[in-house]
Amino acid sequence: DTGVSQNPRHKITKRGQNVTFRCDPISEHNRLYWYRQTLGQGPEFLTYFQNEAQLEKSRLLSDRFSAERPKGSFSTLEIQRTEQGDSAMYLCASSSPQGPGETQYFGPGTRLLVL
Amino acid sequence: SQQGEEDPQALSIQEGENATMNCSYKTSINNLQWYRQNSGRGLVHLILIRSNEREKHSGRLRVTLDTSKKSSSLLITASRAADTASYFCATADYGQNFVFGPGTRLSVLP
Repeated sequence: DTGVSQNPRHKITKRGQNVTFRCDPISEHNRLYWYRQTLGQGPEFLTYFQNEAQLEKSRLLSDRFSAERPKGSFSTLEIQRTEQGDSAMYLCASSSPQGPGETQYFGPGTRLLVL
Repeated sequence: SQQGEEDPQALSIQEGENATMNCSYKTSINNLQWYRQNSGRGLVHLILIRSNEREKHSGRLRVTLDTSKKSSSLLITASRAADTASYFCATADYGQNFVFGPGTRLSVLP
């Protein structure tokens, strides 16, 4: 089964360090989404790609956050100069090219802890 | 702010009972989706209901949608301990906006 995969699954870092997460979507899906989820809350949208183009970014995505999807396949999310408030689960999802609002398939997430 | 708001925030029932969760939203939608999340894991899609549909079934799940009241409900019948999870509704508009509510934490006691 080639579902959405995310690496690493867990990351512990010290405040001020940079971290990078990777997401590999389902192969035929051209849309890829990043979300952040804190304890007891629903996922919050961060950014969205259609193929390699980043089409939308949330106000939550500060200048320290950057996402790429260079070849329209896997994506990376980098957080620079991490802060304790960045501690959260980072979820990636992909969807098929059937149209907006179609089912999103989620990866297992990367749990980040900033000390 | 999140568009979907689930109610109740937490629900505890006995195995075999039915569980009902509600979701309210604020703006026009293309569809509404329900997801389940087991503790510390990713989200699993359960069911999608489009704005022109009123009710949908999938196994032990029944979802209703009332666009006039901007609300949806998820009914899980004959609950099992394995249904213990957080349940989220997510609304999708006609663009690319996909917004989750804060979720309902369901505990099914054996």
